[in-house]
Amino acid sequence: DIQMTQSPSSLSTSVGDRVTITCRASQSISSYLNWYQQKPGKAPKVLIYAASSLQSGVPSRFSGSGSGTDFTLTINSLQPEDFATYYCQESYSSPGTFGQGTKVEIK
Amino acid sequence: QITLNESGPTLVKPTQTLTLTCTFSGFSLTTSGVGVGWIRQPPGKALEWLALIFWDDDKRYSPSLKSRLTITKDTSKNQVVVTMTNMDPVDTATYFCAHRRPYNSGLGGYFDYWGQGTLVTVSS
Repeated sequence: DIQMTQSPSSLSTSVGDRVTITCRASQSISSYLNWYQQKPGKAPKVLIYAASSLQSGVPSRFSGSGSGTDFTLTINSLQPEDFATYYCQESYSSPGTFGQGTKVEIK
Repeated sequence: QITLNESGPTLVKPTQTLTLTCTFSGFSLTTSGVGVGWIRQPPGKALEWLALIFWDDDKRYSPSLKSRLTITKDTSKNQVVVTMTNMDPVDTATYFCAHRRPYNSGLGGYFDYWGQGTLVTVSS
């Protein structure tokens, strides 16, 4: 199986800050990497697919980059509604393993 | 408008078999490249991908759970069913089904529509 490791597991930050979350794959997955946002009690919502493609309707403050084994989700100018848990997911293989999540909390 | 809805028991006993049904609308599981997956999330923990079935009946399973899982589809009813045998308290989780949209000619995909999830508790 491909292992996906996110860092950090949690972070405390403020509205207006720039946030960077990283995801590392245990082997090369090309650009087959997706990012999801999940709020408590809700289903995940896709933000970024294919490493850097912004899903329709997602604000442009979200962006993704990377290829191979190292990927980044960046949130520019964090908004109150962005406090949530973020997951990466590889779709290079089946299963499409998820990372362990990064919880973004209010400082 | 794509919607998915999970249904099934909320409580199962250890060793029993869990059967969950995903009823969907707004798309066809005969469309090339499309899939429906099952993902679960134990309380307070991360997402775990379980199984995926494609439009052409190709089926994929999590290697760690493959021996316990079966996924099937009924395109006439717009349903996908997953069964998990030998349930254990560690299988207590919210179970989601989701529509998988392909990209890069189907080599990749992402879950763009999700059901609301159904909490299954395993307890005697």
